Amino acid sequence: QLQLQESGPGLVKPSETLSLTCTVSGGSINSNNYYWGWIRQPPGKGLEWIGNIYYSGSTYYNPSLKSRVTISLDTSKNQFSLKLSSVTAADTAVYYCARMVSVYYFDYWGQGTLVTVSS
Amino acid sequence: EIVLTQSPGTLSLSPGERATLSCRASQSVSSSYLAWYQQKPGQAPRLLIYGASSRATGIPDRFSGSGSGTEFTLTISRLEPEDFAVFYCQHYGSSLWTFGQGTKVEIK
Repeated sequence: QLQLQESGPGLVKPSETLSLTCTVSGGSINSNNYYWGWIRQPPGKGLEWIGNIYYSGSTYYNPSLKSRVTISLDTSKNQFSLKLSSVTAADTAVYYCARMVSVYYFDYWGQGTLVTVSS
Repeated sequence: EIVLTQSPGTLSLSPGERATLSCRASQSVSSSYLAWYQQKPGQAPRLLIYGASSRATGIPDRFSGSGSGTEFTLTISRLEPEDFAVFYCQHYGSSLWTFGQGTKVEIK
């Protein structure tokens, strides 16, 4: 059974960089069948797609976040990571990592991790 | 950029009733790239429907999806107590992945 687990600091200061890692178990991220993505959800609000990465390293980012987002792969650790720079309180959210199938839908999700941006 | 608008915002129904949720796209989209998710409080979203009408693995047949073009529908034929949650539609197109704002199905 595939499992995804987000990890990283739960509190980040304004203007700093948010860094999260998603560890995948029960399957390899080094597969041409899947993309790997990040989605976030501010408290009490809806889902926002952040970006995806393919096993080849190709990335796709939400245009509204593109200037601040970097997603990368570490196939040796079966992990992928999210970096979001210059954060503000508006970046406070639960961050989910997920596997994407057939280019477009997310079939496995991590449990999510709350990141609060505050001084 | 395609915008997905879900309606109603909240649906108040009783167990056993039929739920009909709408997802409208700002322009015509491929039904192949339309999915629905269910999210319960404190949990990650769960994939229900992909390709507008195909149920994901393990999803009960009381959940069904339909639609094409700009109008898509998620129907729950008879609500079970565990079905009350927030539902999101999601679309892919032109290297952009977008979600609707969600419909909450609550117990009346």
